[in-house]
Parts: sequence; C-alpha cells; structure tokens
Amino acid sequence: TQLLEQSPQFLSIQEGENLTVYCNSSSVFSSLQWYRQEPGEGPVLLVTVVTGGEVKKLKRLTFQFGDARKDSSLHITAAQPGDTGLYLCAGRGSNYKLTFGKGTLLTVNP
Amino acid sequence: SQTIHQWPATLVQPVGSPLSLECTVEGTSNPNLYWYRQAAGRGLQLLFYSVGIGQISSEVPQNLSASRPQDRQFILSSKKLLLSDSGFYLCACHQGANSPLHFGNGTRLTVT
Repeated sequence: TQLLEQSPQFLSIQEGENLTVYCNSSSVFSSLQWYRQEPGEGPVLLVTVVTGGEVKKLKRLTFQFGDARKDSSLHITAAQPGDTGLYLCAGRGSNYKLTFGKGTLLTVNP
Repeated sequence: SQTIHQWPATLVQPVGSPLSLECTVEGTSNPNLYWYRQAAGRGLQLLFYSVGIGQISSEVPQNLSASRPQDRQFILSSKKLLLSDSGFYLCACHQGANSPLHFGNGTRLTVT
C-alpha cells in the first residue's frame, strides 16, 4: 500500500504570510495531484505534476514535484483568507487509483 | 465537462437501518467511478471503484456494498448501518491515466 504523509496537519497564519505544506512518500508516483476542499464540498483539483523536478505556478501558489517523484510541496505567497481550506495531495501509482494524504487544514486569519 | 450529482446532501439514519446513496454522472461516458469516505474533514479513504457496468472492486472490508447498474450510475448501500459508518461520502469519476478526479458535493451521513 502506497502512503502519503502530509505536514503540517494544521496551519493557522495571518493574512499576508507565506507558507509551505509538504507531501511525502516512500513510493514513486507516476503523477501527483493537489486538491483544495472547502467545508461541505468535494475536493477541487488545483494542479497535476508529472515530471520529476517539475515546478508549476498558479498565481500565488507554487507546486513542486520532487526529482525522485516521491514527494511534493505547495508554497503559498502572501496568503489570503480565501486560501483557507483543506489541502490534499494525491499520488497515482502504477494503476489508475489515487492514494490521498490526510491533508493540511489551512486557516488564514484576516 | 463532467458533472457529478449526489443525493441526499445530508442524512441521519438509526443504527441497523438500510442505506442507499446514489451518484450519477453527466458529460462523459464509460468513466471510472469511485466512492470515498472522509472522516472529520481529513483524508479520503477509497471504499469502492468501478471501471464499467457491473464491475466493482472493494478496497476495504466493511459493512457497505456498491453497485453500478448503468454506465453513469453508482450506488453505495448497506443492509444494516453501524455507528462507525458515519462520515462524509464522496463520489468521484475520472477518465484517462493522469486525468484528475471530479468529485460530487458529498453526502453527510450521521448514524445515531
């Protein structure tokens, strides 16, 4: 069974601060996805990274896939209250199933 | 684009009662379909997945079952609910090796 560990589990910061959340595994994934989930809703895809070492930027969000394709990070610059939510990483292994981490619950205080 | 409908949005059921949650998908054909359970707003546990009509794979032994009577319909059932079945149930679909999962808005089940 492939496991994904996300850290930190909880993060509470002030508006304008920067933050990084991590997603680590001992397994290699063919691709890794980041989702954001708001209370009472299903997760929504933010990005998919496929190539080891790949960096993708989505406005103030920067995603990186590790060279060995075992880990990933999400960096948010100048966080805003609208960034509040549960951030989930999910890795796709040799089959089509996604393995999800337990998530990082981010709260950005105004 | 794909749209996933789940109902009901919330459900309160007594222990020992049956359960039927329905998920339907629009905007695609022959999708892979999934049922996930999420506890306390945390990670997603895969319960069942299906690659076609009548084809169901179970990920964990449990009190639940799933069926796919039509291409775009996925049903989660139980004959007798347990307290531990409480949670947020999400239906999802995707097509293609690296395509993302599209989720419904979930059903919040409380077993009392």
